[in-house]
Amino acid sequence: AQSVSQHNHHVILSEAASLELGCNYSYGGTVNLFWYVQYPGQHLQLLLKYFSGDPLVKGIKGFEAEFIKSKFSFNLRKPSVQWSDTAEYFCAVNPMNTGFQKLVFGTGTRLLVSP
Amino acid sequence: ETGVTQTPRHLVMGMTNKKSLKCEQHLGHNAMYWYKQSAKKPLELMFVYNFKEQTENNSVPSRFSPECPNSSHLFLHLHTLQPEDSALYLCASSLDRVGNSPLHFGNGTRLTVT
Repeated sequence: AQSVSQHNHHVILSEAASLELGCNYSYGGTVNLFWYVQYPGQHLQLLLKYFSGDPLVKGIKGFEAEFIKSKFSFNLRKPSVQWSDTAEYFCAVNPMNTGFQKLVFGTGTRLLVSP
Repeated sequence: ETGVTQTPRHLVMGMTNKKSLKCEQHLGHNAMYWYKQSAKKPLELMFVYNFKEQTENNSVPSRFSPECPNSSHLFLHLHTLQPEDSALYLCASSLDRVGNSPLHFGNGTRLTVT
């Protein structure tokens, strides 16, 4: 079945460490790609998105993600994490073959940043 | 503030009860969605409405009945639920249903079915 895979369910880092969260999808056609974040006690919110153009996209709070089409991947990165980055991160893919919004989410990665 | 408001925040109901979840958005969006978030599972799309018309029913059991009276309001009517329906139910909206417009989520309703 077509899906979105996030390989790390839990990640624990110290402040200032570098972060990379993996995301792979199995859709073969054109896709729009998203990372959403959910801070403790808050709603899901958009972190960054990729539709077309430069495969390296920058989002809020110093996050970036790289779309590698050949690898069907859209990994999230941040060079130096902060305690306030503690949250759950969700990769989401919208297959464009239907022409409308049908986001498919990964299972999420819980990131804990220790001060 | 998300711009998408869901009530109630928490709901406990028996299997024979009838209850409704409410979602309201004042973002001027035309598309609204219900998602189900269960532990250790991906968010599952349940229903999509575009300009008040249901455009997607993702094989959801009939004990879940959505209603969209206008572009700003979305309801999820619940009846004769099962314990496995316990989950966080998220409402979202987007400018339109084309895949370029990001979703704006509410805080969710935590539902427990006893």
